Amino acid sequence: QVQLVQSGAEVKKPGASVKVSCKASGYTFTGYYIHWVRQAPGQGLEWMGWINPNSGDTNYAQKFQGRVTMTRDTSISTAYMEVSRLRSDDTAVYFCARERVATITGLFDYWGQGTLVTVSS
Amino acid sequence: DIQMTQSPSSVSASVGDRVTITCRASQGISSWLAWYQQKPGKAPKLLIYAASSLQSGVPSRFSGSGSGTDFTLTISSLQPEDFATYYCQLANSFPLTFGGGTKVEIK
Repeated sequence: QVQLVQSGAEVKKPGASVKVSCKASGYTFTGYYIHWVRQAPGQGLEWMGWINPNSGDTNYAQKFQGRVTMTRDTSISTAYMEVSRLRSDDTAVYFCARERVATITGLFDYWGQGTLVTVSS
Repeated sequence: DIQMTQSPSSVSASVGDRVTITCRASQGISSWLAWYQQKPGKAPKLLIYAASSLQSGVPSRFSGSGSGTDFTLTISSLQPEDFATYYCQLANSFPLTFGGGTKVEIK
């Protein structure tokens, strides 16, 4: 069965970086785009960007350009999302999510369990 | 960016009630609209895509309608497991955006 398993919770100081992983199983990793979505405590959902695991191509929301980097390692079916220059308002649960179909539509049928990133001095 | 506005922000309902949630896009988006359900501490779950198509495995009491700028999610007979927060989402147009969410609470 399709699974996306994310890395564990992180606590970081302002100005630091964090890298969250998302390990895929149960399907062909290179066949489906992976997106990242975050959710601040008690708030709604915010799309951050996508990566094409086959080509490595990425597309980031304007808000995150220059501060977010999405990568992948096809040998271990894992996608990564790194946020640099962390601020307190980056405190959130970060989710990876898989495209529903093998093209880019922005519809997510499988999600990781979420990774809480806390930014605090 | 296209903004998605949901209403109401919360609704109190009883088991068996019919519940309707609306979502309005700031410009026409054809049928590129999805609905997700999220329970506390869990990832969202896809319910409806393409405005009215039921995702595999989702109960038929969930339905979606609309096109252009105005959309609705209807739960025909609310069940105990349906108490959750629901989000609409713009699809196929980047940046993807979500509505602010509608919390369905027990009356």
